[in-house]
Amino acid sequence: GNSVTQMEGPVTLSEEAFLTINCTYTATGYPSLFWYVQYPGEGLQLLLKATKADDKGSNKGFEATYRKETTSFHLEKGSVQVSDSAVYFCALPVISSGSARQLTFGSGTQLTVLP
Amino acid sequence: DAGVIQSPRHEVTEMGQEVTLRCKPISGHNSLFWYRQTMMRGLELLIYFNNNVPIDDSGMPEDRFSAKMPNASFSTLKIQPSEPRDSAVYFCASSLGLAEAASYEQYFGPGTRLTVT
Repeated sequence: GNSVTQMEGPVTLSEEAFLTINCTYTATGYPSLFWYVQYPGEGLQLLLKATKADDKGSNKGFEATYRKETTSFHLEKGSVQVSDSAVYFCALPVISSGSARQLTFGSGTQLTVLP
Repeated sequence: DAGVIQSPRHEVTEMGQEVTLRCKPISGHNSLFWYRQTMMRGLELLIYFNNNVPIDDSGMPEDRFSAKMPNASFSTLKIQPSEPRDSAVYFCASSLGLAEAASYEQYFGPGTRLTVT
């Protein structure tokens, strides 16, 4: 079935450093891919998505490109801020019965940005 | 839009007591998901519903856990009796639940932090 493998954390960077969090997937076909972010004490929230191969999702300075050749969806940001400190999850749909579509999430990568 | 609403936000209870967690999904969403998050096990899907019907409860840890969705705007997750190992943050999420790819997005509530002593 569909699955994701996410870069192990934690990741600690200085403010304004470049960020990459790796995510690779195994899937039937070309499902939508997602990055979620969880700030301390909050629930997960959608950060960005790509719905088809070669699409680039972007939001809040973060980007990820859906690359079918390498089955990857790596998250990048050119200059991180302290406020980006959070846990980041890669996710994709798992097709199940009827129209219900559950998501399978990666293990999460803790990012800490130091001032 | 109020988003997904969960109550209570924090719950502290003693071992053996019954605990009920509540969730109100986003209006118009057809799918509802219950997750548990711990440091050791990460984010785990417990059960999900589509159009108020339970679709997959294989993630429910044991018979002490039960979930219901009596209508489209309300769901409960009950633990009876509770044990210290149930301590975790429990999240509810909802999605449109349609076949189109755009409906796969899940919207999470703020979570309920459960502590069982």
